[in-house]
Amino acid sequence: QKEVEQNSGPLSVPEGAIASLNCTYSDRVSQSFFWYRQYSGKSPELIMSIYSNGDKEDGRFTAQLNKASQYVSLLIRDSQPSDSATYLCAVMSGGSNYKLTFGKGTLLTVNP
Amino acid sequence: EPEVTQTPSHQVTQMGQEVILRCVPISNHLYFYWYRQILGQKVEFLVSFYNNEISEKSEIFDDQFSVERPDGSNFTLKIRSTKLEDSAMYFCATETRDSSYEQYFGPGTRLTVT
Repeated sequence: QKEVEQNSGPLSVPEGAIASLNCTYSDRVSQSFFWYRQYSGKSPELIMSIYSNGDKEDGRFTAQLNKASQYVSLLIRDSQPSDSATYLCAVMSGGSNYKLTFGKGTLLTVNP
Repeated sequence: EPEVTQTPSHQVTQMGQEVILRCVPISNHLYFYWYRQILGQKVEFLVSFYNNEISEKSEIFDDQFSVERPDGSNFTLKIRSTKLEDSAMYFCATETRDSSYEQYFGPGTRLTVT
């Protein structure tokens, strides 16, 4: 059973701080990794994708991947109250298998 | 910016009834997926669809479920005889698979089975 694990939170940070969200996965052959943001009652919204080890930056967001440790993280710099949402880690195994396996998500609250 | 659209936004049905959920993919996307999310739980994969065929399906996607792309634009999920436990948000997602594997989700259909 392929698992994706996240701390459910809630993670609470003050406005302007860095929020750090973590995810581990069990399937060693996983190739592609994604972070989605989900506001309550809404659909997942893609924030970042990362495919190779290291860091990938996009605006205030940085995704980090370490395949040896089976670990993915998302850093949000200068956190804003509008960043308050559940952040979902999703993993795609690759090969002929393109489905996403999701973690349960981490609830982030950014306090003004 | 192109978006995935889904209809209806909310469907209420009685147990045992058939429902059809509809999705209009982003126009140049060729790979289609259905996921569901029961309230408070993880997003779960149901089925993937490419070139008018199912590519992969999960254990959840039993004989009560079917998918098709009847007119080259809509992508539908049919549940033949709904059960109480089918109550969930159903999300359609689509993908181009040009240089990435990014899946874009529609707004979802909330299905309530009474």
